Amino acid sequence: LAKTTQPISMDSYEGQEVNITCSHNNIATNDYITWYQQFPSQGPRFIIQGYKTKVTNEVASLFIPADRKSSTLSLPRVSLSDTAVYYCCSGYSTLTFGKGTMLLVSP
Amino acid sequence: DAGITQSPRHKVTETGTPVTLRCHQTENHRYMYWYRQDPGHGLRLIHYSYGVKDTDKGEVSDGYSVSRSKTEDFLLTLESATSSQTSVYFCAISDPGGQLANTGELFFGEGSRLTVL
Repeated sequence: LAKTTQPISMDSYEGQEVNITCSHNNIATNDYITWYQQFPSQGPRFIIQGYKTKVTNEVASLFIPADRKSSTLSLPRVSLSDTAVYYCCSGYSTLTFGKGTMLLVSP
Repeated sequence: DAGITQSPRHKVTETGTPVTLRCHQTENHRYMYWYRQDPGHGLRLIHYSYGVKDTDKGEVSDGYSVSRSKTEDFLLTLESATSSQTSVYFCAISDPGGQLANTGELFFGEGSRLTVL
């Protein structure tokens, strides 16, 4: 299973853009990159998914370079409610989760 | 929200006793998964199923077995619980290549907290 590595924690302030980078050096050809958000006492929730280049939805953007060995989740103008753990995952029908990045957004 | 129900939500048991966790879905998704979540480890895949009676191991399958006799139910069994199996267990469902536009989009249940004394 492909392994993903991401920072343990990040701090930000309300209104700032937050970029969380994940490395996945041995990603397989068929694997997608998927990011999840998790709040305490809840299951993870899908944020965004991509294969290569850039993907954008209503809550985030995902940048994947041509070699696909890393990816960056971009959260525009974060708010206090974005404080959560963010997981970078790789895979197709089964996903390998990273250990998660605890994002703390302060006023 | 996806229709996924885990039971029990909380359980305390003693070492050596058998434990079964149940995951029930109402989405008719083909794939079902059991993950465990522990501090410092994120989520790790235990077992998964890609159809009725079709299951496979994940990265931390030792000490666990699963069964899927019908599409909507996926059972995780600890034959003889150990303290190292104290964890939060998450069930997830997906339908890669099927109903979901995003391959690999998993819908998670609320989790089952298991404490083995």
